[in-house]
Amino acid sequence: DIQMTQSPSSLSASVGDRVTISCRASQSISIFLNWYQQKPGKAPKLLIYVASSLQSGVPSRFSGGGSGTDFTLTISSLQPEDFATYYCQQTYSTPPTFGGGTKVEIK
Amino acid sequence: QVQLVQSGAEVKKPGSSVKVSCKTSGGTFSSYALSWVRQAPGQGLEWMGGIIPILGTTNYAQKFQGRVTITADKSTSTAYMELTSLRSEDTAVYYCARAPNSGSYYFSWGQGTLVTVSS
Repeated sequence: DIQMTQSPSSLSASVGDRVTISCRASQSISIFLNWYQQKPGKAPKLLIYVASSLQSGVPSRFSGGGSGTDFTLTISSLQPEDFATYYCQQTYSTPPTFGGGTKVEIK
Repeated sequence: QVQLVQSGAEVKKPGSSVKVSCKTSGGTFSSYALSWVRQAPGQGLEWMGGIIPILGTTNYAQKFQGRVTITADKSTSTAYMELTSLRSEDTAVYYCARAPNSGSYYFSWGQGTLVTVSS
């Protein structure tokens, strides 16, 4: 199975900050990397698919990049509704695997 | 708009089984792939398996092989996940999630079903 490692596991930031979350795969996954946002008690929500494609309805302050083994999710200007946990997921091979999550908290 | 509505919370005894349903609306049920993902309390996301309703084909995570069965009823646009031989470590929220095809991103999720395994 492909292992997905996210960093940091948590971070504190202020409204308006630029935030970057990293995700590393244990082997090359091309661009088959997706990002989800999850708020407490809610199902995950798709933000970015195939590394950099913005899901319909997701604000443009979210962006994704990378290929191969290293990927990033960037929030250009953090908003109050963005405080949540973010997960990366590889869909290059079965089983699809998720990173451990990055919790974004209010500073 | 694609929506997935799951069955309600369950409390089960160790050694028993649970069957969770996921009714879909919007889009064509058979033309998408559907997976089940679980999340133990305070933990991350774990893929359990999936089905392509139009083909009836399934695949399962090695960890759950022999204990999980995923089925789909095209007449009611409902998918099911049955997990047997439950143990306390199976206490989790179980989600169904829809993808445009097998091995793709999940663009729509059910609301989750809490399964509690306790004696």
